[in-house]
Amino acid sequence: GQQLNQSPQSMFIQEGEDVSMNCTSSSIFNTWLWYKQDPGEGPVLLIALYKAGELTSNGRLTAQFGITRKDSFLNISASIPSDVGIYFCAGRNTNAGKSTFGDGTTLTVKP
Amino acid sequence: DTAVSQTPKYLVTQMGNDKSIKCEQNLGHDTMYWYKQDSKKFLKIMFSYNNKELIINETVPNRFSPKSPDKAHLNLHINSLELGDSAVYFCASRDPSGGYTFGSGTRLTVV
Repeated sequence: GQQLNQSPQSMFIQEGEDVSMNCTSSSIFNTWLWYKQDPGEGPVLLIALYKAGELTSNGRLTAQFGITRKDSFLNISASIPSDVGIYFCAGRNTNAGKSTFGDGTTLTVKP
Repeated sequence: DTAVSQTPKYLVTQMGNDKSIKCEQNLGHDTMYWYKQDSKKFLKIMFSYNNKELIINETVPNRFSPKSPDKAHLNLHINSLELGDSAVYFCASRDPSGGYTFGSGTRLTVV
């Protein structure tokens, strides 16, 4: 089946720093999604990408759909303490009926 | 008004018992899911229903039985609970563009 490798597994950064994480796949997707999970809550959709090469921003977050359709990255600029959480990438093909999730990147932001 | 609501939030029960988790969405989506998140935070799909019809069943033991009385509800019944069933279970519904809205999770602890 399709595998998603998300890296890094965890990050410890200082408040104000920029963050970059990525997701690579063994096969192509036609949709990439990025979610954030706060402790004790379900994942929340941050950004959805539908086209190879697409670059989309949501506030301090920017995500890109890789040209090969096998990867995506998420950047967070000027991190703040409430950015703490687990970030998941997910890939989806229209007829697959489900999204495949990466293993998550746990972000810790030190004030 | 919560978009995807799950009950209960916490469930502690003994091995061998039978328990149910309920999920309801008020988003009008056709497709709903159950995901299991283990202690390492991996999100694994279990089941998917589209308009009350089972469309995905991902190698889940027969002790797990989903039921969808209508497209707004997807419940999960678990028979003969085992220690390894301890996890957080998330219900989700999918919008037409592929993004998921997750419930806040049910933390199941089997003792």
